Amino acid sequence: DARVTQTPRHKVTEMGQEVTMRCQPILGHNTVFWYRQTMMQGLELLAYFRNRAPLDDSGMPKDRFSAEMPDATLATLKIQPSEPRDSAVYFCASGSIWGNTEAFFGQGTRLTVV
Amino acid sequence: QKEVEQNSGPLSVPEGAIASLNCTYSDRGSQSFFWYRQYSGKSPELIMFIYSNGDKEDGRFTAQLNKASQYVSLLIRDSQPSDSATYLCAAQNTGGFKTIFGAGTRLFVKA
Repeated sequence: DARVTQTPRHKVTEMGQEVTMRCQPILGHNTVFWYRQTMMQGLELLAYFRNRAPLDDSGMPKDRFSAEMPDATLATLKIQPSEPRDSAVYFCASGSIWGNTEAFFGQGTRLTVV
Repeated sequence: QKEVEQNSGPLSVPEGAIASLNCTYSDRGSQSFFWYRQYSGKSPELIMFIYSNGDKEDGRFTAQLNKASQYVSLLIRDSQPSDSATYLCAAQNTGGFKTIFGAGTRLFVKA
């Protein structure tokens, strides 16, 4: 059963701490998206990768957020230092440029910064 | 102005009625459009995609696309209480497959 796997599912941290979220895309997918979802803003695109190369990270606060794909099976999103306004659900999604090109979502990481 | 706009709702319809969900997009480079359903506390899941102008039907769901008007809609026939969820519209450009979502419309189907 192919699926996107995100860890951790929940994270509570104190303001100022570093947070790392991980994502394992579906095997064979060459596009990976990071989204942030809040009640106020909805689902915002933070960054996305094609074949591990960043294509667009304009939605990401550059001073504290960073996204990487060390290899084809792992994508990471880091926040350093974290702030209470970063509290949200962070979704990773993967897709392929072949076929229907839809994004398949992971279960999300619910982040709370206190 | 957001790139993909949706009425946040909530939209309330009685069981068995037709629910109509609408979406507009601003990027004329968008070529592919998706409707996702998201239950509370869950991740979005794909319902339908549409690439060409006109209607596309799949069971109780019909997606409609009008590229000239930059308008996408989703019709749900014979609405069921289990259809109660947030419906997200997404637009994707052809070149980079950048996929932007609207904020979603909350749908309530009353039994």
